[in-house]
Amino acid sequence: GAVVSQHPSWVICKSGTSVKIECRSLDFQATTMFWYRQFPKQSLMLMATSNEGSKATYEQGVEKDKFLINHASLTLSTLTVTSAHPEDSSFYICSAGTSGSPLTYEQYFGPGTRLTVT
Amino acid sequence: EDQVTQSPEALRLQEGESSSLNCSYTVSGLRGLFWYRQDPGKGPEFLFTLYSAGEEKEKERLKATLTKKESFLHITAPKPEDSATYLCAVQAPGTYKYIFGTGTRLKVLA
Repeated sequence: GAVVSQHPSWVICKSGTSVKIECRSLDFQATTMFWYRQFPKQSLMLMATSNEGSKATYEQGVEKDKFLINHASLTLSTLTVTSAHPEDSSFYICSAGTSGSPLTYEQYFGPGTRLTVT
Repeated sequence: EDQVTQSPEALRLQEGESSSLNCSYTVSGLRGLFWYRQDPGKGPEFLFTLYSAGEEKEKERLKATLTKKESFLHITAPKPEDSATYLCAVQAPGTYKYIFGTGTRLKVLA
């Protein structure tokens, strides 16, 4: 149980184009999903919290107009990198959570998407 | 300030050589401490959730323990396939967000 998928697993795009990454919870419903970015040999950096049916909450320093997040259903969240530039090249990982206890939220991660902008 | 510190940063073990990874945390009102395993180029894989001091959980060669200030991930008789980065995280107070440590890169040599 608690399987999260991401699509695509890798993508190469040209500078100035937009790329959409999908994150799905396959066997459970998630009202909250998270989007992370990870640089080589570094830990995960939270970009935004995605809430079903409402606007995403972005972390300080993350451009919300560049990284568009849509959480249209309880099993799907999407991240669109708009007008991508080489500095947006990175490993993007989503997570979806379930309540392990009334106050605890266990996050299950997708396999990640490697984005390369040329 | 809420924070998570993992040590060592990197660890090399011979196959069968047991050891422990440390995760020290400062957070007000712990709601959960989480351990993950991450292989290169992949997303983190969930291992354990610990809720309160004194709790222990096991999975194959891994055993996680929790005190009021730190957690240990004990690896018994590791195998080369246990090589990975192990991440520790705590849930930030009042939210579902996690505070991650920087991870321990484990390499088990055959």
